[in-house]
Amino acid sequence: DQQVKQNSPSLSVQEGRISILNCDYTNSMFDYFLWYKKYPAEGPTFLISISSIKDKNEDGRFTVFLNKSAKHLSLHIVPSQPGDSAVYFCAASVIFSSGSARQLTFGSGTQLTVLP
Amino acid sequence: DVKVTQSSRYLVKRTGEKVFLECVQDMDHENMFWYRQDPGLGLRLIYFSYDVKMKEKGDIPEGYSVSREKKERFSLILESASTNQTSMYLCASQSPDGLNYEQYFGPGTRLTVT
Repeated sequence: DQQVKQNSPSLSVQEGRISILNCDYTNSMFDYFLWYKKYPAEGPTFLISISSIKDKNEDGRFTVFLNKSAKHLSLHIVPSQPGDSAVYFCAASVIFSSGSARQLTFGSGTQLTVLP
Repeated sequence: DVKVTQSSRYLVKRTGEKVFLECVQDMDHENMFWYRQDPGLGLRLIYFSYDVKMKEKGDIPEGYSVSREKKERFSLILESASTNQTSMYLCASQSPDGLNYEQYFGPGTRLTVT
């Protein structure tokens, strides 16, 4: 049972337009959310995050929105650039039941293609 | 910059072989993780370690074991490789005091079991 879902496996947008990537979660214990970007043959790299006490976080062209009541978050990229073409993973954080560390639960990813 | 390195980028092994995947991080992080990435399933946690010689099972530990003898090194062991363990394996490290709880990933090892 996937606790973090990205229902769109792929998304294509024109260069300069907005890209919106969506993510839904089911576990209300998640208290921190992250977006990672992954190029082929590389490991995922951290992009932006948001705490559950906020509803928006912005970093340059990237903005993450969190709707806690809907258990939904989205990543907006404006304007989109061809170099943004990658797989984007949504991840949700909670402390392990043992209290030893913080776990990340990942979605299945969305392949974003930005067309020149 | 945090650097996480993995011993091999590509590996081909036969069914039944014992396979070792090595991961080294240079940031003195306490926490280290092993994931596998499969199409349509995202990243799934196999095992993690929060200190030397300390480990906990993740979501899919069956068929795997781990070893952490030194803080900077975390090894994933496939005791008897099977074809359903063909996957991309990603190692990550994390500081428990990190601002964003982010994990830093290595480049991955593409393992094929034939």
